[in-house]
Amino acid sequence: SQQGEEDPQALSIQEGENATMNCSYKTSINNLQWYRQNSGRGLVHLILIRSNEREKHSGRLRVTLDTSKKSSSLLITASRAADTASYFCATAANSGGYQKVTFGTGTKLQVIP
Amino acid sequence: SQTIHQWPATLVQPVGSPLSLECTVEGTSNPNLYWYRQAAGRGLQLLFYSVGIGQISSEVPQNLSASRPQDRQFILSSKKLLLSDSGFYLCAWSLTSRKLFFGSGTQLSVL
Repeated sequence: SQQGEEDPQALSIQEGENATMNCSYKTSINNLQWYRQNSGRGLVHLILIRSNEREKHSGRLRVTLDTSKKSSSLLITASRAADTASYFCATAANSGGYQKVTFGTGTKLQVIP
Repeated sequence: SQTIHQWPATLVQPVGSPLSLECTVEGTSNPNLYWYRQAAGRGLQLLFYSVGIGQISSEVPQNLSASRPQDRQFILSSKKLLLSDSGFYLCAWSLTSRKLFFGSGTQLSVL
């Protein structure tokens, strides 16, 4: 089953604009991660935010986490055409001594040059 | 540095035929290994994970099985493929950092 639900499902913006994607989840987590997937390829890890963190930055990426609302957002600033991809949030939670990582449904981002 | 190899990249198989997808990791020891499946335009569904040799946990009852004969080798199998087994299969590994590192995927079409 899907733990996370991303919103919106698809997003189209002009190059230079900011892109914001949201993720909601249902259960307690250890951390939340964001991944990027180019069409037909494997996923690439972008950023991880721990459950006791509220905000994290990495280059043009900014991630927030609100554990009380069970939600996270990914902001990509000054978008580029090369940012066109699908973005997934993933939640990590303990499951029988193992950390289970469950992915959301993804947001398909198109950045128009 | 660590690398993950997954093959084949594409596969077309008839219904009822067997399946074997292989994934190997290099440059690390005792990784956690995962198989995910992604339907077209959808999110990832966790199929199997393994924390060690011979230790396999299944997330979804289905027509597939997994094995880990060596520390850095993870195999996804089926004795008889169904149409519903079509999809994009992804292998991944992780260590204590909890980040997942993915292979390049196998696009399986069952006809």
